[in-house]
Amino acid sequence: EVQLVESGGGLVQSGGSLRLSCAASGFTFRSTAMSWVRQAPGKGLEWVSTIGPSGSTIYYADSVKGRFTISRDNSKNTLSVQMISLRAEDTAVYYCAKHGLGKYFEYLGQGTLVTVSS
Amino acid sequence: QSVLTQPPSASGTPEQRVTISCSGSSSNIGSNTVTWYQQLPGTAPKLLIHSDIQRPSGVPDRFSGSKSGTSASLAISGLQSEDEADYYCAAWDDSLKHYVFGTGTKVTVL
Repeated sequence: EVQLVESGGGLVQSGGSLRLSCAASGFTFRSTAMSWVRQAPGKGLEWVSTIGPSGSTIYYADSVKGRFTISRDNSKNTLSVQMISLRAEDTAVYYCAKHGLGKYFEYLGQGTLVTVSS
Repeated sequence: QSVLTQPPSASGTPEQRVTISCSGSSSNIGSNTVTWYQQLPGTAPKLLIHSDIQRPSGVPDRFSGSKSGTSASLAISGLQSEDEADYYCAAWDDSLKHYVFGTGTKVTVL
């Protein structure tokens, strides 16, 4: 059974930093692309970042480029995102997402809430 | 902002058929496959349809996807009360080099 468990969310002041992690299990993590997807309160889904299986391919949404850094540790089956210079508009539930065989997210975790206070 | 356009709401009575549209462009839906997600209240999004028409195991066959040109649709045949949720389409965009989601459609069972 695929499990994605996010952690690290919380309340942070504007301009602050936070590191989110996602513990993955139930599939071959090192062979799977992973992403972060977020959802602001009462709003729709927004893709944040994607990292390929080896970590050599990385994409970011324009809204987070230069402030967020996605990474993975294939020895620990862990996906992370380091977030700096946080803004109020970064307030959202952040979901860790496992890719399917094609260009889609096959599973999303339960999410972790990040609240940026201004 | 969302690149794929969906109607904000759709509704139907039990057993009715409801269709949700997703309009994009040649750089996303027109050249890549479409995915649909269901988000029940207070829960994480769940994969409903991938590769335009493929239903993962466990997804009821009353859900079906289709695509034509730069638009896609999700149909729910035999609407049930447990289908009340938000539905999102998504696709990779070749020009933006990132994933794009639809604006979301809230389905209400009357």
